[in-house]
Amino acid sequence: EAGVVQSPRYKIIEKKQPVAFWCNPISGHNTLYWYLQNLGQGPELLIRYENEEAVDDSQLPKDRFSAERLKGVDSTLKIQPAELGDSAVYLCASSDRSSYNEQFFGPGTRLTVL
Amino acid sequence: AQSVTQLGSHVSVSEGALVLLRCNYSSSVPPYLFWYVQYPNQGLQLLLKYTSAATLVKGINGFEAEFKKSETSFHLTKPSAHMSDAAEYFCAVSGGSSNTGKLIFGQGTTLQVKP
Repeated sequence: EAGVVQSPRYKIIEKKQPVAFWCNPISGHNTLYWYLQNLGQGPELLIRYENEEAVDDSQLPKDRFSAERLKGVDSTLKIQPAELGDSAVYLCASSDRSSYNEQFFGPGTRLTVL
Repeated sequence: AQSVTQLGSHVSVSEGALVLLRCNYSSSVPPYLFWYVQYPNQGLQLLLKYTSAATLVKGINGFEAEFKKSETSFHLTKPSAHMSDAAEYFCAVSGGSSNTGKLIFGQGTTLQVKP
């Protein structure tokens, strides 16, 4: 079974530039999560999707961050414009109804903003 | 509100020694508890989970954890450390049967294994 796929794995941009991350969850998983992981810290939830609906985006900085999951499968997280403080690892995870609490994580995208 | 505290940001053990990584949680509802491991430049991999069944939970790679409600703890142990266990370990809590799908993670503990 293929795991959660994320791309790119690494991204270096200059501040004020836009950037987008892509995630393809495990096949059949209805729930998709985007997490932010700062260096030396645990992941923090940015947004959770149930199919195509964002059911928890309370921690998403909506002035510069946006996300979509149009067909309820893969998802894109965007930052525009990026700031120096956005340098971090962006993790995507997915889960299904049978193991609602167990989340499977992708390898993450490491963003460096210069 | 739920929270997780991992005591000790760095733990160093010798190969073959006991591994003990501490996790205390706070939850207003019966919690589900998880331990994840993260190797450099990789995502998080589930080691084990507690979902209100047996209080002693066995996971992969010889790890286990015991849920102690009276102590609000869920410490991770392994009898004999291997060099390959060197990684970052995260304890996480979610809201159990009233789960909103949100995992709250601790700050992580870096495990160093010395030869």
